[in-house]
Amino acid sequence: QVQLVESGGGVVQPGRSLRLSCAASGFTFSSYAMHWVRQAPGKGLEWVAVISYDGINKYYRDSVKGRFTISRDNSKNTLFLQVNSLRAEDTALYYCASSYCNSSNCYNFDYWGQGTLITVSS
Amino acid sequence: EIVMTQSPATLSVSPGERATLSCRASQSVTSNLAWYQQRPGQAPRLLVYGASTRATGIPARFSGSGSGTEFTLTISSLQSEDFALYSCQQYNDWPWTFGQGTKVEIK
Repeated sequence: QVQLVESGGGVVQPGRSLRLSCAASGFTFSSYAMHWVRQAPGKGLEWVAVISYDGINKYYRDSVKGRFTISRDNSKNTLFLQVNSLRAEDTALYYCASSYCNSSNCYNFDYWGQGTLITVSS
Repeated sequence: EIVMTQSPATLSVSPGERATLSCRASQSVTSNLAWYQQRPGQAPRLLVYGASTRATGIPARFSGSGSGTEFTLTISSLQSEDFALYSCQQYNDWPWTFGQGTKVEIK
């Protein structure tokens, strides 16, 4: 069955960095776009970034542009999120999620991991 | 960005009763609308995509409707496992955006 397992979260001070990973199995990882979605404590879901199936195209929400970098290694079925210059407002549970994209559109999230928690605190 | 507004924030329903959840988009998202269920401590689960198509394995008591800016998720007869947070999400335009969620709780 499909599994997405995130890791790499932790407690960090403002301004520091972390690298999140998401290990995928049970589906053809290299055929799917992959996303990071976050959820602050007690808040709703917030899309963060997406990377195309081949790693060429990447998009970010404005609040993380220049600080977060999404990447993938299709040979290892793994998605990454490098998070730099962390702020208190980045505190959240970070989920990876898959979606199918064709040449013109991307579609809903199909599968989600269980999330990894980033807490930014001094 | 497209703002998704869900109502009500909390819905108190007795088991076996019908629940109707609403989602409104600040501009048309055509039918590019999904609903997700999130039980406490669990990841979101896809319920409905394309505004009205149930995802694989989702019981028939869940149904979605609407297009453009107004959408509804109906749970025809609530079961104990349905008490959860429900979120709508548009995938028509970037950035993809979610509603703030409707919590369905036991009355």
